[in-house]
Amino acid sequence: NAGVMQNPRHLVRRRGQEARLRCSPMKGHSHVYWYRQLPEEGLKFMVYLQKENIIDESGMPKERFSAEFPKEGPSILRIQQVVRGDSAAYFCASSPQGLYPYEQYFGPGTRLTVT
Amino acid sequence: QKEVEQDPGPLSVPEGAIVSLNCTYSNSAFQYFMWYRQYSRKGPELLMYTYSSGNKEDGRFTAQVDKSSKYISLFIRDSQPSDSATYLCAMSDGNQFYFGTGTSLTVIP
Repeated sequence: NAGVMQNPRHLVRRRGQEARLRCSPMKGHSHVYWYRQLPEEGLKFMVYLQKENIIDESGMPKERFSAEFPKEGPSILRIQQVVRGDSAAYFCASSPQGLYPYEQYFGPGTRLTVT
Repeated sequence: QKEVEQDPGPLSVPEGAIVSLNCTYSNSAFQYFMWYRQYSRKGPELLMYTYSSGNKEDGRFTAQVDKSSKYISLFIRDSQPSDSATYLCAMSDGNQFYFGTGTSLTVIP
């Protein structure tokens, strides 16, 4: 059973460009979470999605950031007009529905660098 | 005040030592408590998962939750150099997950 997949692993963007981060959850998992990790600050929740639904986006900046989890394909975290402060590691996690919905399994992360 | 407080360390112990890692929290609605291990440049790996108060043991690892004190612990027995990593506590109220900043652990051979 493959784990959570994220790509790309490293992404370099210039200020003003768009960044698209992809996450494929573990097989059988229908819940996806996105987190941002900055040095010395730990993991910060951004958004929680189920297939075709955004359940909780209270951790997402109001502007430039969006997320989706379509019926088919991976979940996408999109950052428009990136700024230097967006440089961070972005992790996706997935969890199963059912008995233990609060177990989360993380992908390897995408390290975004904005130059 | 942060939702979850965790001493960042770093913590350095000799091989074979018992390691104690701790987190405190302020939200009494938290009911799910997790510990993750994160190696450098990797994603967090779920170690232990506990619901409500009590102890849970898995091999060399023991997780404790004291909801009355809003305090959770992870104990590692017979620590090994391969345990060297950052350990993150996490908690959930059933909606969001809240993570500590992580404690960096080094086990010296």
